[in-house]
Amino acid sequence: GQQVKQSSPSLTVQEGGISILNCDYENDMFDYFAWYKKYPDNSPTLLISVRSNVDKREDGRLTVFLNKSGKHFSLHITASQPEDTAVYLCAAGREQGTGSKLSFGKGAKLTVSP
Amino acid sequence: GGIITQTPKFLIGQEGQKLTLKCQQNFNHDTMYWYRQDSGKGLRLIYYSITENDLQKGDLSEGYDASREKKSSFSLTVTSAQKNEMAVFLCASSIWVAEQFFGPGTRLTVL
Repeated sequence: GQQVKQSSPSLTVQEGGISILNCDYENDMFDYFAWYKKYPDNSPTLLISVRSNVDKREDGRLTVFLNKSGKHFSLHITASQPEDTAVYLCAAGREQGTGSKLSFGKGAKLTVSP
Repeated sequence: GGIITQTPKFLIGQEGQKLTLKCQQNFNHDTMYWYRQDSGKGLRLIYYSITENDLQKGDLSEGYDASREKKSSFSLTVTSAQKNEMAVFLCASSIWVAEQFFGPGTRLTVL
């Protein structure tokens, strides 16, 4: 089954508002969590990542919140801008042990309207 | 900085044909990945490799072979192309479970 799930495939936010993207995961051994951004006809690029030893990480307008007990993490984008319009993919993986793969969600399309 | 290149950019094949996609990276990363991207299905892992000559199956390995000839290159073979198949294949590389850098993709169309 799918190890990482993004339940809302799309979201529309007004310019200047807060965009909140959510991700749930199955494997409680995951200790690395990331958000990737993908423009149409482009490849994904890493936006922000966090390890399981913290509950929150901020980087400019981006904040990742991690809820380990709920197996949930989210990306908040404050002061959303039209150029934030893209598909956002969440990903999770396990740093320890053998193998080094990430499981990706299906993606959520964020549209920021002017 | 580094770069990942994928060849070819566009690949058109015939049903039943064996097709090979190539990927090169100059990050000196140990781990390389092949993903398939379909609309509405996100990225699905086909194969990955944690070092030269290593091969690990992903969730979608059936119908594919892969080969890690050297640290910088990782190739993927579609063993028998399916009629009307259309997909984008993305190669990526990383150091362990950390930022994955993606190539520009190979767009496959099967007639």
